[in-house]
Amino acid sequence: DAEITQSPRHKITETGRQVTLACHQTWNHNNMFWYRQDLGHGLRLIHYSYGVQDTNKGEVSDGYSVSRSNTEDLPLTLESAASSQTSVYFCASSEGRYSDGYTFGSGTRLTVV
Amino acid sequence: KNQVEQSPQSLIILEGKNCTLQCNYTVSPFSNLRWYKQDTGRGPVSLTIMTFSENTKSNGRYTATLDADTKQSSLHITASQLSDSASYICVVSFSNTGKLIFGQGTTLQVKP
Repeated sequence: DAEITQSPRHKITETGRQVTLACHQTWNHNNMFWYRQDLGHGLRLIHYSYGVQDTNKGEVSDGYSVSRSNTEDLPLTLESAASSQTSVYFCASSEGRYSDGYTFGSGTRLTVV
Repeated sequence: KNQVEQSPQSLIILEGKNCTLQCNYTVSPFSNLRWYKQDTGRGPVSLTIMTFSENTKSNGRYTATLDADTKQSSLHITASQLSDSASYICVVSFSNTGKLIFGQGTTLQVKP
């Protein structure tokens, strides 16, 4: 069965370190998204991609970067982790740009100490 | 400002009872409204999706309604079960970009 997987599920890192969160989907979806979820906020869009070599900034992109070298993967990199980036991160994919078929991964809980 | 607001923030009900969750939005232009269920430690899973022209949509014991004139939606859960304990998130999509605006969610706890 097709799926979207995130790794690691939990990560603790130190302030200033570079961290990469993985997202891999086997739906063959063109569109992939990264969100963060914090108490008191709805999910907020960090970065998104509409296809290979395409990346775009979301509403909370500062301090994050993504790259899309193939259809299946959209890794999220924190260039220099900060305590404000402690959060739960969700990857999602969809079939079309306005598609109803939005599928989320199970999330990565990141703690920056 | 484009916002999605949900109420109540949290809710406790007894197993077998019904409940209704509310969602008000100011997103414009509007494409569709979705309700997601998020279990603890998991990603959101879609329950229903309604376009501008749809007033109601059901998925088993879940029934969502939409009033596009007042920009309000509700999610009604019938005969609640312990497995309904979760966060329920209302999400509105822009019609010109497909971007999603998420509400903060309502946390539902169903007690035996």
